[in-house]
Amino acid sequence: QLVLTQSPSASASLGASVKLTCTLSSGHSNYAIAWHQQQPETGPRYLMKLNSDGSHSKGDGIPDRFSGSSSGAERYLTISNLQSEDEADYYCQTWGTGIWVFGGGTKLTVL
Amino acid sequence: EAQLLESGGGLVQPGGSLRLSCAASGFTFSNYAMSWVRQAPGKGLEWVSAISDGGAPWYTESVKGRFTISRDNSKNTLYLQMNSLRAEDTAVYHCAKEESGSGIRWFDPWGRGTLVIVSS
Repeated sequence: QLVLTQSPSASASLGASVKLTCTLSSGHSNYAIAWHQQQPETGPRYLMKLNSDGSHSKGDGIPDRFSGSSSGAERYLTISNLQSEDEADYYCQTWGTGIWVFGGGTKLTVL
Repeated sequence: EAQLLESGGGLVQPGGSLRLSCAASGFTFSNYAMSWVRQAPGKGLEWVSAISDGGAPWYTESVKGRFTISRDNSKNTLYLQMNSLRAEDTAVYHCAKEESGSGIRWFDPWGRGTLVIVSS
């Protein structure tokens, strides 16, 4: 079964960096994923597509502070130089034939 | 710039029906698969249904037989007909344009959503 697992919460200080993790279920470690950001009271926004080899392509207007990387079944989203507007929920998402799957989301708090 | 605008949400009694619409602009609607994704209050994102550019539908298990996705390419509009609604269908419903590549499909952009409340 295709499942994505995320930690429910993370926090880091203004100006620091944070690395969020999304873990693919067993047997699916070669899957690409997408990262989406949802700020309070808004619709989600696509951040990037992230391949198993760590290559990634970002959406229009996504700052260079956002980057992605991969290791085995884990997919990472790193946000550098944290800004107050980065406080949001972050979701990973993938796809298998006929099914679109989301992780449970990570709530990022900027201290 | 691609934009999506949902409408049609509201308060409906359990067992009732509602039809959501999503007006698309800024891209060639007929060339893209589209999806509905919902978010229950305080919860995460859940994919509900998708429709290919050719009109083939897909549904998550919990809505099969109750929800019907469709599209009118002449009106650049996506629909979700929701019947036999249950309290657990209460959520903000977002429509999203699908992109694909490298063996994955993803959503970009998303609409702001329309709120559906199922309650007596």
